[in-house]
Amino acid sequence: DTEVTQTPKHLVMGMTNKKSLKCEQHMGHRAMYWYKQKAKKPPELMFVYSYEKLSINESVPSRFSPECPNSSLLNLHLHALQPEDSALYLCASSQWGGGADTGELFFGEGSRLTVL
Amino acid sequence: KNEVEQSPQNLTAQEGEFITINCSYSVGISALHWLQQHPGGGIVSLFMLSSGKKKHGRLIATINIQEKHSSLHITASHPRDSAVYICAARNTGNQFYFGTGTSLTVIP
Repeated sequence: DTEVTQTPKHLVMGMTNKKSLKCEQHMGHRAMYWYKQKAKKPPELMFVYSYEKLSINESVPSRFSPECPNSSLLNLHLHALQPEDSALYLCASSQWGGGADTGELFFGEGSRLTVL
Repeated sequence: KNEVEQSPQNLTAQEGEFITINCSYSVGISALHWLQQHPGGGIVSLFMLSSGKKKHGRLIATINIQEKHSSLHITASHPRDSAVYICAARNTGNQFYFGTGTSLTVIP
């Protein structure tokens, strides 16, 4: 199984709503990532978890709250978002380790978020 | 200045043409990744390389560590190759630096 599964595929929410994006992988990867991607731009890193602990937070506003309940799951909790947060949110996973033979990134299909 | 620069930004080719996309990076890397993203879709890893050359079907990736440069070649291009190709440099801390992508359109 070389899949990263993201749900939901599409999400529309108001600025006062609370919602969550979910990501799951069963490849035994101990690094999981959240990226935000705007149209015609490369992915921007938001968070990195390694061994279920938050290792990188790229100064993301607190209205985005990540959670890694176990080694297979990664959530992104959303609250009081702004319309400019509308984007494609991509989850990825990889083996953790700086070596040349590890670290291939596997991406999910993304969750397309629209904030009204 | 971005840590990873790609060229060209946009590329249109006739079906069957040989295509080259270039990537230069300024960071120390453990590996260089080439990724493909179709419109509206997720991202697929094409290659991960730290030296030399790799080949999958019609795709070839090369890297020159001394010059900090990598190329992605597509032989006998086909309309289904139309996508955005992204170069990403990974350092030993597992941090990825993404290029801005090359949008490829192959016309039948």
